[in-house]
Amino acid sequence: AQSVTQPDIHITVSEGASLELRCNYSYGATPYLFWYVQSPGQGLQLLLKYFSGDTLVQGIKGFEAEFKRSQSSFNLRKPSVHWSDAAEYFCAVALYQTGANNLFFGTGTRLTVIP
Amino acid sequence: DSGVTQTPKHLITATGQRVTLRCSPRSGDLSVYWYQQSLDQGLQFLIHYYNGEERAKGNILERFSAQQFPDLHSELNLSSLELGDSALYFCASSETPSETQYFGPGTRLLVL
Repeated sequence: AQSVTQPDIHITVSEGASLELRCNYSYGATPYLFWYVQSPGQGLQLLLKYFSGDTLVQGIKGFEAEFKRSQSSFNLRKPSVHWSDAAEYFCAVALYQTGANNLFFGTGTRLTVIP
Repeated sequence: DSGVTQTPKHLITATGQRVTLRCSPRSGDLSVYWYQQSLDQGLQFLIHYYNGEERAKGNILERFSAQQFPDLHSELNLSSLELGDSALYFCASSETPSETQYFGPGTRLLVL
């Protein structure tokens, strides 16, 4: 079945530590890939996206993500986490090539940052 | 600020009632999407409009309907509300259907 999987429901990291949030997808074709962040009580903000080209993409707030076709993964990373990064992170895919333009979301990973 | 606006921010109503959620897309965006975020279902696509016409439907209940007006703003109508309709409803817009979607701040609906 087609799906977007974020295996970690909740991650806790210390401020200044590195971060990696996992995302795997299961679709027949390579989808277009996104990471969004949702702060408490806020909407979804786009962090970065991958459509094609360089498999390492840079986003806002110091985040980056790497697309690995062989692993069907698009993991989000940040070398040094700040307290303000505490939020919920959603991986999403779009299958524009199939004519479906909506986003399919993973279940999200909640990030807690401890001092 | 994404440039997508949604009103109202919060809505409290009773079962059986009808409400209308409003969305104004970013300037120049022709596509509007509606999503529902609930604790049990997560983020789910409801419906997509492009330049006034319905393009796709997702997991949208028959009690729900939407439309996009000539000025490109969109409204999501929810009727015969049930407790389970309590959720955060997001609108997103994009310039064309295959472009990045930018989300509004959402409308939090509480059905009592």
